[in-house]
Amino acid sequence: AQRVTQPEKLLSVFKGAPVELKCNYSYSGSPELFWYVQYSRQRLQLLLRHISRESIKGFTADLNKGETSFHLKKPFAQEEDSAMYYCALNRNSGNTPLVFGKGTRLSVIA
Amino acid sequence: KAGVTQTPRYLIKTRGQQVTLSCSPISGHRSVSWYQQTPGQGLQFLFEYFSETQRNKGNFPGRFSGRQFSNSRSEMNVSTLELGDSALYLCASSGGTATYEQYFGPGTRLTVT
Repeated sequence: AQRVTQPEKLLSVFKGAPVELKCNYSYSGSPELFWYVQYSRQRLQLLLRHISRESIKGFTADLNKGETSFHLKKPFAQEEDSAMYYCALNRNSGNTPLVFGKGTRLSVIA
Repeated sequence: KAGVTQTPRYLIKTRGQQVTLSCSPISGHRSVSWYQQTPGQGLQFLFEYFSETQRNKGNFPGRFSGRQFSNSRSEMNVSTLELGDSALYLCASSGGTATYEQYFGPGTRLTVT
């Protein structure tokens, strides 16, 4: 069965420091990976998809099939990045539900 | 476009009661998924409806059920509530036949006492 693991429940970094939120997955096929973010008092929203290979709010994520990872990175953390981040996997077989990790709470300290 | 709406936003129920939550998807979206969000377990998938049919189901007991109407609005019902059912219940809609990009509602906070 497919699984998404986010090993850190909480990650605290200082403003201006680099950020890496880890995500590992288990799936034998070709998955589609996503990062979702939930800011305080806001709804959960899509941050980025691996397929688009774009940078959103300074965040990037590269799918590493060899290491089955999809870590989220940002070179310089900002206070407004403080939020709950969820990594999610889709089996890329069409009509299947997203599988979410348990989430990592990022706290950026001024 | 108006976003996904969920009603009610907050609910307090007693053990043994039942509850119905409602979700209105983004106009034109035909898929509605339900999730249970708790601090310990994160987001757990309950079920997904597409064109009034349950297309996918998570690993929850039969006390959790849902349905979807012809206008794509969906309801989720939990019978015989237990203390452990206290959670934020999120609804998400998506537009195409693939469910990858989901738009979430604000959630219904259910507290069971």
